[in-house]
Amino acid sequence: QVQLQESGPGLVKPSQTLSLSCTVSGGSINTSGYFWSWIRQHPGKGLEWIGYIYYNGSTYSNPFLKSRVSISIDTSENQFSLRLTSVTAADTAVYYCARGPKGVMIGYQYYGMDVWGQGTAVTVSS
Amino acid sequence: DIQMTQSPSSLSASVGDRVTITCQASHDINNYLNWYQQKPGKAPKLLIYGASHLQTGVPSRFSGSGSGTHFSLTISSLQPEDLATYFCQQSDNLPLTFGGGTKVEIK
Repeated sequence: QVQLQESGPGLVKPSQTLSLSCTVSGGSINTSGYFWSWIRQHPGKGLEWIGYIYYNGSTYSNPFLKSRVSISIDTSENQFSLRLTSVTAADTAVYYCARGPKGVMIGYQYYGMDVWGQGTAVTVSS
Repeated sequence: DIQMTQSPSSLSASVGDRVTITCQASHDINNYLNWYQQKPGKAPKLLIYGASHLQTGVPSRFSGSGSGTHFSLTISSLQPEDLATYFCQQSDNLPLTFGGGTKVEIK
């Protein structure tokens, strides 16, 4: 079955760039029908959806992160990535990658995120 | 953005009780409403999609209902392993948004 695994540094200095990858196993990322999402959760808080990407590279990022976030996909490596620039302590969180929602075009998605990575904790501190 | 408001924020119930959590959307989201269960220290798990469809492998004591702006998640007979926080999430409009969560404790 499909499994996702996040990877990246657990500690990032303020003003630097956070880079995380999500490796997909048990299935191909290069297929239509699913978006691939990033979500984060501040300590003891709720879930924030960061954005998603489609296998063809189409992407949407949540405006609350303004222009700091970019999401990319590498179908040859079966992984997708998150890049967040100019980080501050407010970016300290557990970051999850997930498969879903379903859909075929940005803005036309349905159902939920049905497979999640285990999450990776990121701390922003000097 | 569509705001998702869950209630209650926490509840305590006994094993065997029927538990209902509600989720209200700030705009009509059709039936594009999903429910997740998050156990302590774990990633969220999809329980219900499309307001009322049970995800494969999820026990039948979980059910979802509602449409438009009002939705609910019901656990028909609470079990000890249902100790968790439950989140609703809408997929109708971008950006996708989550409710604030409902923490379920066992008495």
